[in-house]
Amino acid sequence: DAKTTQPPSMDCAEGRAANLPCNHSTISGNEYVYWYRQIHSQGPQYIIHGLKNNETNEMASLIITEDRKSSTLILPHATLRDTAVYYCIVRGTGNQFYFGTGTSLTVIP
Amino acid sequence: EAQVTQNPRYLITVTGKKLTVTCSQNMNHEYMSWYRQDPGLGLRQIYYSMNVEVTDKGDVPEGYKVSRKEKRNFPLILESPSPNQTSLYFCATQGSGKNIQYFGAGTRLSVL
Repeated sequence: DAKTTQPPSMDCAEGRAANLPCNHSTISGNEYVYWYRQIHSQGPQYIIHGLKNNETNEMASLIITEDRKSSTLILPHATLRDTAVYYCIVRGTGNQFYFGTGTSLTVIP
Repeated sequence: EAQVTQNPRYLITVTGKKLTVTCSQNMNHEYMSWYRQDPGLGLRQIYYSMNVEVTDKGDVPEGYKVSRKEKRNFPLILESPSPNQTSLYFCATQGSGKNIQYFGAGTRLSVL
């Protein structure tokens, strides 16, 4: 089953770009990569998703490697409110979703 | 306004006393799911449902039941709760052909 690996924690200076990596080496060819974040113990919030091409929206950019085995979420100008746990998710067989343990991002003033 | 509503938000119970956590959505979404979140383990999927009367096991279904008798509701049932089911539970929904899951606010359950 497709699953993900992320570093457990990262720091980023306020105003700088935060680059959060994710490894999903077992992803199948037609499966999307999704990114969510969770602030404190609130329900996770959708950020962005992609299949092959790089994607950008008002929240972030998603860079997916050509072999699709890894991706990077980019928060271009991190703010203190971006401090959260970020999850890289893939959809497994049978429509299951694998969240993993995520990366705890701390934005430092 | 799109809503996923879980009830109760907080619950303390004792071992063996049956309980139900409700989840309802107003978005007419086909897909609904339950997750539990534990320290160091992230979110793990318990059960999911692709549509009415269609449910499937996720990663950690043991000790839980679900039902999907109508599209808007997806209750999570603990027939005989045990302390290892103490956790933070989230319900989520997703529309068919869409790529965004919407999560409820969570239910914090303590089983003594």
